[in-house]
Amino acid sequence: AQKVTQAQTEISVVEKEDVTLDCVYETRDTTYYLFWYKQPPSGELVFLIRRNSFDEQNEISGRYSWNFQKSTSSFNFTITASQVVDSAVYFCALSGNSGGYNKLIFGAGTRLAVHP
Amino acid sequence: GAGVSQTPSNKVTEKGKYVELRCDPISGHTALYWYRQSLGQGPEFLIYFQGTGAADDSGLPNDRFFAVRPEGSVSTLKIQRTERGDSAVYLCASSQRGGEAYNEQFFGPGTRLTVL
Repeated sequence: AQKVTQAQTEISVVEKEDVTLDCVYETRDTTYYLFWYKQPPSGELVFLIRRNSFDEQNEISGRYSWNFQKSTSSFNFTITASQVVDSAVYFCALSGNSGGYNKLIFGAGTRLAVHP
Repeated sequence: GAGVSQTPSNKVTEKGKYVELRCDPISGHTALYWYRQSLGQGPEFLIYFQGTGAADDSGLPNDRFFAVRPEGSVSTLKIQRTERGDSAVYLCASSQRGGEAYNEQFFGPGTRLTVL
């Protein structure tokens, strides 16, 4: 079975703080992809980042960075110098070869509130 | 270009009624997905179309739910004998091709269904 767990239900920070969103996943697939999506109050899911299971290199893209550790099945996401516009619900998701990569398995989401 | 569009944006119906939810994918995208998002939860996969055919309907909760995509473009999700538990936001997504996780899924704004 595949499962994504986001233990943090809500996080509240003050603008310019760094914030890390945790994600732990379970899968028996040999090849899989991990994603982060953002859902602002408007409701539309916006793709942020994607990582495949063979590439554990951590990267930074602007204010976003992610830490993929296969040994602990974690795919954490960090926003540096948070801004009010970052306020949204963030979802971690998994897609594996057993499902033909056709279904995304989402976590329950973490609601991030950035206050001025 | 235009993104994924969904109509109606809101639908209120009474228990036992029949509803249809429409999805217009991004032009040229052959893969189309339906998800359901209950309050406070992440989206849950319902069904995936590759072209006109439903390649994976493993997420449909029961036989009251079915979806069609007769011409390989617009899709309609149909729910018979609606129940209060069907109340949720129904999300549609499309991607250039199915079966490839690096083809990102683009999501529409969703249809909020309320069953009274």
